[in-house]
Amino acid sequence: AQKITQTQPGMFVQEKEAVTLDCTYDTSDPSYGLFWYKQPSSGEMIFLIYQGSYDQQNATEGRYSLNFQKARKSANLVISASQLGDSAMYFCAMRGLQGKLIFGQGTELSVKP
Amino acid sequence: GAGVSQSPRYKVAKRGQDVALRCDPISGHVSLFWYQQALGQGPEFLTYFQNEAQLDKSGLPSDRFFAERPEGSVSTLKIQRTQQEDSAVYLCASNRDIGADTQYFGPGTRLTVL
Repeated sequence: AQKITQTQPGMFVQEKEAVTLDCTYDTSDPSYGLFWYKQPSSGEMIFLIYQGSYDQQNATEGRYSLNFQKARKSANLVISASQLGDSAMYFCAMRGLQGKLIFGQGTELSVKP
Repeated sequence: GAGVSQSPRYKVAKRGQDVALRCDPISGHVSLFWYQQALGQGPEFLTYFQNEAQLDKSGLPSDRFFAERPEGSVSTLKIQRTQQEDSAVYLCASNRDIGADTQYFGPGTRLTVL
């Protein structure tokens, strides 16, 4: 069975600092995709970044990068130069059968001024 | 270029009432997913459509839950005889086709059952 684990219920980071949100996954499929979504208090899930299991390089999107360590089955999100608007819930997810997403429990990030 | 829209944004129902939640996916998107998100949890898969065909409904928690997408665009999630445990945010997502990587989510419908 596929599973996503996020072990940090909450994180604090100082504005302008970098922060790493942890995500580990479990799957027996050789081909899979990993996602990070941001969910602010308004409730909408905002796509941030995607990593395919066969991608040779770590994905980057602006201030977001994904530290993909396949052997360790980890896909940590790194946010550089944190901003107050980054305060939100962050979810790691894996693409399962027929494209449905399997989500972790989430990490609540608070950025302090 | 509108995104995924959902209505209503908020719904309060008395226990035992039927509710209908609507999702308008991005125009032309083939795949449509429904998720349920309980308070403080990650979203959990309910059901999946490819065009008008419901290909996976393994996540629907009971036979009180029913979803349809009759013309392959708008989808409706119906919950009959609502119970308090049905209180959650219901999220709809769509993507271009079955092989596409990214699902785009709507703002969700927050259902509260009293």
